[in-house]
Amino acid sequence: DIQMTQSPSFVSASVGDRVTITCRASQGISSWLAWYQQKPGKAPNLMIYGAYSLQSGVPSRFSGSGYGTDFSLTISSLQPEDSATYYCQQGNSFPLTFGGGTKVEIK
Amino acid sequence: QVQLQESGPGLVKPSQTLSLICTVSGTSITSDKYSWAWIRQPAGKGLEWIGRINTSGTNYNPSLKSRVTISVDTSKNQFSLNLSSVTAADTAVYYCATYARIFIYWGQGTLVTVSS
Repeated sequence: DIQMTQSPSFVSASVGDRVTITCRASQGISSWLAWYQQKPGKAPNLMIYGAYSLQSGVPSRFSGSGYGTDFSLTISSLQPEDSATYYCQQGNSFPLTFGGGTKVEIK
Repeated sequence: QVQLQESGPGLVKPSQTLSLICTVSGTSITSDKYSWAWIRQPAGKGLEWIGRINTSGTNYNPSLKSRVTISVDTSKNQFSLNLSSVTAADTAVYYCATYARIFIYWGQGTLVTVSS
């Protein structure tokens, strides 16, 4: 199985700050990496796919990068509505696996 | 717009079988564009992929494979999840979703509690 390790598990930042979350795969997954945003009581929402492609409707302050084993999600200017938990997911091979999540809190 | 809706019992007794249905609208479940997947999330924890089905067959998480069956009912545009011999560790919110290397569309999720 491919293990997905996210860091940090928690980040507290102010509105306007730049926030970066990283995701490391235990083996190479090419660009088969997606990021999801989940708010309390809601289903996850696809934000980034193919490591860096922005899903339709997602604000441009979100961006993704990486290839192989190391990936990142960046929020260029944190907004109050970005408070959520973010998960990475690999789609390279079965079993599909998610990172443990990063909770983003607004100070 | 593709929409998914989970349904099924919210309470299941230990050792029994958890059965959920996902009703799909906005696209045909026979479409080759998507696979149909189940994911679960225990309270306060992360996401766990359970399995998926498409026209070619099924793939299951090895950690659950011996207890899981996913099937499709094309006449009702639905797919289902059966998880046998449940324990308290299977208590979670269960989501159905479309899968095409990524989970694009999700249901709202349904809480299933395993308790006597």
